[in-house]
Amino acid sequence: DSGVTQTPKHLITATGQRVTLRCSPRSGDLSVYWYQQSLDQGLQFLIQYYNGEERAKGNILERFSAQQFPDLHSELNLSSLELGDSALYFCASSVEGGGATDTQYFGPGTRLTVL
Amino acid sequence: DAKTTQPPSMDCAEGRAANLPCNHSTISGNEYVYWYRQIHSQGPQYIIHGLKNNETNEMASLIITEDRKSSTLILPHATLRDTAVYYCIVRVGVNAGGTSYGKLTFGQGTILTVHP
Repeated sequence: DSGVTQTPKHLITATGQRVTLRCSPRSGDLSVYWYQQSLDQGLQFLIQYYNGEERAKGNILERFSAQQFPDLHSELNLSSLELGDSALYFCASSVEGGGATDTQYFGPGTRLTVL
Repeated sequence: DAKTTQPPSMDCAEGRAANLPCNHSTISGNEYVYWYRQIHSQGPQYIIHGLKNNETNEMASLIITEDRKSSTLILPHATLRDTAVYYCIVRVGVNAGGTSYGKLTFGQGTILTVHP
């Protein structure tokens, strides 16, 4: 158990819908990262938040957005869902802002299925 | 990000040491080597990281060559529960351009299968 929690564990929805994935970081961690794992793309970095502020962006679609709240939990919002958005979504957290020795610990993930 | 190359798959007998190689010939002097593993579809699990010295923790040992162009992750006594995809990642730290803070770039990894 990494100490990172994600809800829900599974999510099934229809195309065109909007969903929200939630992540609670390990106690004391200030950074939250979101990753997407699909069968054809592998594990890909989406976005990082550090202490409430966006820190870095990866291959995140414009239909996707995220935020980190004052209590440091984070939410990933996915809208206008398409079949290709079906994937595992992982959240990770780290103590600091992402330096080379700032180890990331991953949550169990949310499996999103878009029908 | 420095690119890493790993064999797509490896086998190991239970109780024996599993030695997983990784090539990272373009690694920069301040980049760390990280290893994660992913068991089935669970979240990636941190194993170990190092810069240039060999490292050991309760899970594994990391041997980095003197020129830092390759490394080996060693699981000293593999068990069936060690069957997983193992990822070798070269870690970019804080970037003044603001685009590389902390992200991990995962490749295809090595599928390690531990046999009874």
